[in-house]
Amino acid sequence: GEDVEQSLFLSVREGDSSVINCTYTDSSSTYLYWYKQEPGAGLQLLTYIFSNMDMKQDQRLTVLLNKKDKHLSLRIADTQTGDSAIYFCAENNDMRFGAGTRLTVKP
Amino acid sequence: GAGVSQTPSNKVTEKGKYVELRCDPISGHTALYWYRQSLGQGPEFLIYFQGTGAADDSGLPNDRFFAVRPEGSVSTLKIQRTERGDSAVYLCASSPKGGHPGGYTFGSGTRLTVV
Repeated sequence: GEDVEQSLFLSVREGDSSVINCTYTDSSSTYLYWYKQEPGAGLQLLTYIFSNMDMKQDQRLTVLLNKKDKHLSLRIADTQTGDSAIYFCAENNDMRFGAGTRLTVKP
Repeated sequence: GAGVSQTPSNKVTEKGKYVELRCDPISGHTALYWYRQSLGQGPEFLIYFQGTGAADDSGLPNDRFFAVRPEGSVSTLKIQRTERGDSAVYLCASSPKGGHPGGYTFGSGTRLTVV
Protein backbone atom coordinates (compact mmCIF):
# COMPACT_ATOMS: atom_id res chain seq x y z
CA GLY A 1 0.00 0.00 0.00
CA GLU A 2 0.91 3.66 -0.10
CA ASP A 3 2.81 5.34 2.73
CA VAL A 4 1.64 7.81 5.35
CA GLU A 5 4.38 9.41 7.42
CA GLN A 6 4.32 11.45 10.60
CA SER A 7 6.85 12.74 13.07
CA LEU A 8 6.75 10.60 16.20
CA PHE A 9 6.80 13.10 19.06
CA LEU A 10 5.62 16.64 19.85
CA SER A 11 5.78 18.41 23.20
CA VAL A 12 4.07 21.73 23.93
CA ARG A 13 3.13 23.82 26.91
CA GLU A 14 -0.50 24.13 27.99
CA GLY A 15 -2.16 27.04 26.21
CA ASP A 16 0.20 26.97 23.23
CA SER A 17 -0.80 25.82 19.76
CA SER A 18 0.21 22.36 18.54
CA VAL A 19 0.85 21.53 14.91
CA ILE A 20 1.03 17.90 13.88
CA ASN A 21 2.20 17.15 10.34
CA CYS A 22 1.61 14.26 7.98
CA THR A 23 2.67 13.41 4.46
CA TYR A 24 0.99 10.84 2.25
CA THR A 25 1.72 9.43 -1.17
CA ASP A 26 -1.65 8.27 -2.54
CA SER A 27 -2.87 11.14 -4.72
CA SER A 28 -6.21 9.38 -5.38
CA SER A 29 -7.38 9.81 -1.77
CA THR A 30 -10.60 11.79 -1.59
CA TYR A 31 -10.73 12.16 2.18
CA LEU A 32 -8.00 12.56 4.78
CA TYR A 33 -8.57 11.96 8.46
CA TRP A 34 -7.18 12.75 11.86
CA TYR A 35 -7.77 10.26 14.65
CA LYS A 36 -6.93 10.54 18.35
CA GLN A 37 -5.96 7.60 20.55
CA GLU A 38 -5.71 7.97 24.31
CA PRO A 39 -3.83 5.39 26.38
CA GLY A 40 -5.63 2.05 26.42
CA ALA A 41 -8.46 3.36 24.26
CA GLY A 42 -9.63 2.88 20.71
CA LEU A 43 -9.27 5.36 17.87
CA GLN A 44 -11.58 8.35 17.89
CA LEU A 45 -12.25 10.26 14.68
CA LEU A 46 -11.38 13.90 15.33
CA THR A 47 -11.95 15.49 11.96
CA TYR A 48 -11.59 14.91 8.25
CA ILE A 49 -11.10 17.00 5.13
CA PHE A 50 -12.25 16.46 1.59
CA SER A 51 -9.38 16.51 -0.88
CA ASN A 52 -10.73 19.48 -2.84
CA MET A 53 -10.56 21.68 0.25
CA ASP A 54 -7.42 23.31 1.57
CA MET A 55 -8.62 24.19 5.04
CA LYS A 56 -11.23 23.09 7.51
CA GLN A 57 -11.84 24.59 10.94
CA ASP A 58 -13.73 22.83 13.72
CA GLN A 59 -13.62 24.65 17.07
CA ARG A 60 -10.01 24.42 18.31
CA LEU A 61 -8.97 22.22 15.39
CA THR A 62 -7.74 23.49 12.04
CA VAL A 63 -6.83 21.10 9.25
CA LEU A 64 -4.67 22.33 6.39
CA LEU A 65 -4.23 20.32 3.21
CA ASN A 66 -1.63 20.95 0.53
CA LYS A 67 -2.65 18.50 -2.12
CA LYS A 68 0.20 19.40 -4.45
CA ASP A 69 2.77 18.49 -1.79
CA LYS A 70 0.57 15.76 -0.28
CA HIS A 71 0.95 17.39 3.12
CA LEU A 72 -1.69 17.45 5.83
CA SER A 73 -1.49 19.22 9.16
CA LEU A 74 -3.60 19.44 12.29
CA ARG A 75 -3.40 22.56 14.42
CA ILE A 76 -4.80 22.46 17.94
CA ALA A 77 -5.33 25.91 19.43
CA ASP A 78 -5.02 26.53 23.18
CA THR A 79 -3.71 23.00 23.76
CA GLN A 80 -4.86 21.44 27.03
CA THR A 81 -3.46 18.57 29.09
CA GLY A 82 -6.48 16.52 27.98
CA ASP A 83 -5.19 16.77 24.42
CA SER A 84 -2.23 14.55 25.34
CA ALA A 85 -2.63 11.47 23.15
CA ILE A 86 -1.37 9.87 19.96
CA TYR A 87 -2.66 11.46 16.77
CA PHE A 88 -2.90 9.47 13.55
CA CYS A 89 -3.51 10.67 10.04
CA ALA A 90 -5.08 8.37 7.49
CA GLU A 91 -6.31 8.52 3.95
CA ASN A 92 -9.49 6.90 2.71
CA ASN A 93 -8.38 5.24 -0.51
CA ASP A 94 -7.02 2.21 1.30
CA MET A 95 -7.36 3.40 4.92
CA ARG A 96 -3.66 3.25 5.71
CA PHE A 97 -2.49 4.99 8.89
CA GLY A 98 0.68 6.78 9.84
CA ALA A 99 2.69 5.57 12.85
CA GLY A 100 1.19 8.33 14.98
CA THR A 101 2.48 11.48 16.67
CA ARG A 102 2.61 11.36 20.46
CA LEU A 103 1.56 14.78 21.75
CA THR A 104 2.62 15.62 25.28
CA VAL A 105 1.18 18.73 26.88
CA LYS A 106 3.12 20.12 29.83
CA PRO A 107 1.34 22.24 32.42
CA GLY B 1 -25.79 -1.78 17.81
CA ALA B 2 -24.75 1.67 19.00
CA GLY B 3 -21.06 1.10 18.33
CA VAL B 4 -18.61 -1.42 16.97
CA SER B 5 -18.33 -4.28 19.42
CA GLN B 6 -15.30 -6.56 19.60
CA THR B 7 -15.07 -9.71 21.65
CA PRO B 8 -13.24 -10.83 23.62
CA SER B 9 -11.61 -7.68 24.90
CA ASN B 10 -8.59 -9.71 26.01
CA LYS B 11 -7.36 -13.11 24.89
CA VAL B 12 -4.37 -15.01 26.17
CA THR B 13 -3.43 -18.11 24.24
CA GLU B 14 -0.55 -20.52 24.02
CA LYS B 15 1.80 -20.56 21.08
CA GLY B 16 0.52 -22.88 18.37
CA LYS B 17 -3.17 -22.57 19.31
CA TYR B 18 -6.02 -21.34 17.12
CA VAL B 19 -7.95 -18.17 18.00
CA GLU B 20 -11.02 -16.40 16.70
CA LEU B 21 -11.69 -12.71 17.22
CA ARG B 22 -15.13 -11.33 16.63
CA CYS B 23 -16.31 -7.96 15.35
CA ASP B 24 -19.91 -6.83 15.45
CA PRO B 25 -20.18 -3.65 13.34
CA ILE B 26 -22.73 -0.88 13.53
CA SER B 27 -26.00 -2.09 12.07
CA GLY B 28 -26.27 -1.24 8.40
CA HIS B 29 -22.58 -0.55 7.88
CA THR B 30 -21.51 -2.36 4.75
CA ALA B 31 -17.76 -1.74 4.99
CA LEU B 32 -15.70 -3.49 7.65
CA TYR B 33 -11.97 -3.27 8.28
CA TRP B 34 -9.54 -5.25 10.42
CA TYR B 35 -6.32 -3.72 11.70
CA ARG B 36 -3.51 -4.89 13.96
CA GLN B 37 -1.77 -2.45 16.27
CA SER B 38 1.47 -3.37 17.97
CA LEU B 39 2.82 -1.38 20.89
CA GLY B 40 4.07 2.02 19.76
CA GLN B 41 2.88 1.54 16.19
CA GLY B 42 0.04 2.81 14.09
CA PRO B 43 -2.79 0.51 13.03
CA GLU B 44 -1.61 -1.89 10.34
CA PHE B 45 -4.23 -2.69 7.73
CA LEU B 46 -5.16 -6.37 7.44
CA ILE B 47 -8.34 -6.79 5.41
CA TYR B 48 -11.36 -4.85 4.15
CA PHE B 49 -14.83 -6.25 3.50
CA GLN B 50 -17.52 -4.66 1.41
CA GLY B 51 -20.60 -6.66 2.26
CA THR B 52 -19.77 -10.35 2.40
CA GLY B 53 -16.73 -10.25 0.17
CA ALA B 54 -13.14 -9.37 0.98
CA ALA B 55 -12.49 -6.36 -1.24
CA ASP B 56 -8.85 -6.13 -0.18
CA ASP B 57 -6.96 -8.75 1.83
CA SER B 58 -3.51 -7.55 0.90
CA GLY B 59 -2.62 -6.75 4.51
CA LEU B 60 -2.97 -10.29 5.86
CA PRO B 61 0.61 -11.18 6.84
CA ASN B 62 0.52 -14.87 5.86
CA ASP B 63 -1.82 -17.79 5.34
CA ARG B 64 -2.25 -18.36 9.08
CA PHE B 65 -4.59 -15.36 9.06
CA PHE B 66 -8.08 -15.57 7.61
CA ALA B 67 -11.25 -13.52 8.01
CA VAL B 68 -14.87 -14.12 7.10
CA ARG B 69 -18.06 -12.12 7.03
CA PRO B 70 -20.63 -14.67 5.83
CA GLU B 71 -23.79 -12.59 6.19
CA GLY B 72 -22.34 -9.14 5.63
CA SER B 73 -22.53 -8.10 9.27
CA VAL B 74 -20.47 -9.88 11.96
CA SER B 75 -16.90 -10.70 10.99
CA THR B 76 -14.49 -13.18 12.50
CA LEU B 77 -10.72 -12.94 12.23
CA LYS B 78 -9.12 -16.36 12.56
CA ILE B 79 -5.49 -17.00 13.38
CA GLN B 80 -4.06 -20.50 13.14
CA ARG B 81 -0.90 -21.79 14.82
CA THR B 82 -0.44 -18.57 16.75
CA GLU B 83 3.06 -17.20 17.26
CA ARG B 84 4.38 -14.80 19.90
CA GLY B 85 4.77 -12.18 17.19
CA ASP B 86 0.99 -12.20 16.67
CA SER B 87 0.57 -10.51 20.06
CA ALA B 88 -1.07 -7.13 19.42
CA VAL B 89 -4.34 -5.29 19.69
CA TYR B 90 -6.65 -6.25 16.85
CA LEU B 91 -8.96 -3.42 15.86
CA CYS B 92 -12.13 -3.51 13.81
CA ALA B 93 -13.80 -0.54 12.13
CA SER B 94 -16.98 -0.16 10.11
CA SER B 95 -18.51 2.49 7.91
CA PRO B 96 -21.81 2.95 6.04
CA LYS B 97 -20.05 2.36 2.72
CA GLY B 98 -16.44 2.20 1.66
CA GLY B 99 -14.93 5.67 1.45
CA HIS B 100 -17.64 7.45 3.44
CA PRO B 101 -15.88 10.41 4.96
CA GLY B 102 -16.94 10.48 8.55
CA GLY B 103 -18.29 7.02 9.00
CA TYR B 104 -15.28 5.00 10.11
CA THR B 105 -16.05 3.92 13.67
CA PHE B 106 -13.56 1.80 15.55
CA GLY B 107 -14.19 -0.79 18.21
CA SER B 108 -12.12 -0.90 21.40
CA GLY B 109 -10.08 -3.80 20.12
CA THR B 110 -9.12 -7.27 21.24
CA ARG B 111 -5.77 -7.51 22.99
CA LEU B 112 -4.23 -10.82 21.96
CA THR B 113 -1.31 -12.16 23.94
CA VAL B 114 0.44 -15.31 22.76
CA VAL B 115 2.56 -16.92 25.46
